[in-house]
Amino acid sequence: GAVVSQHPSRVICKSGTSVKIECRSLDFQATTMFWYRQFPKQSLMLMATSNEGSKATYEQGVEKDKFLINHASLTLSTLTVTSAHPEDSSFYICSAPTGGNQETQYFGPGTRLLVL
Amino acid sequence: QQQVKQSPQSLIVQKGGISIINCAYENTAFDYFPWYQQFPGKGPALLIAIRPDVSEKKEGRFTISFNKSAKQFSLHIMDSQPGDSATYFCAATFGGFKTIFGAGTRLFVKA
Repeated sequence: GAVVSQHPSRVICKSGTSVKIECRSLDFQATTMFWYRQFPKQSLMLMATSNEGSKATYEQGVEKDKFLINHASLTLSTLTVTSAHPEDSSFYICSAPTGGNQETQYFGPGTRLLVL
Repeated sequence: QQQVKQSPQSLIVQKGGISIINCAYENTAFDYFPWYQQFPGKGPALLIAIRPDVSEKKEGRFTISFNKSAKQFSLHIMDSQPGDSATYFCAATFGGFKTIFGAGTRLFVKA
């Protein structure tokens, strides 16, 4: 199946700093990627849809100035958590759709963010 | 209308037993129903998927049963093994639209 990577896998930062998370599709091109947030023992919460060459589409309640998304190429999307606070600590996962109808999601391994 | 309701929240099954997870949806526009398996600290991985024109799909020990009229679908794991212990998410999508996930079921298979 298709492979999606994320970097870093874990990051610890101080409150007030910004953190960038990269999502790469390794063996296919993705004009669209999705960013999710997952709290312990909960489902995936879609944060935003990353679109190559255009602005991201954010879900209701997600601050676009807080979570900056850039889809610079057909294989790379980045999520930057700006001025991170302890409540931003979470597991962030990206996915990229593939297949004829773009319906199968391939997920990255996730990034564990801890803000102190 | 965009929700996908999943049950049970958690499930304990003896090794060799059958694990059954159920999901229900409302939006009849959904035309693709995948199941994802997630191990702790990892991203979800596609397990098996079905389209509504098929009532059942089997891949190895995993079977999806689909009831279009009832708008329900379920995952059956036959001969459940301790290695199957994970969280399972049902999902629904259509035409490359964003995927809607169920709340997840934590499965524990006792050795």
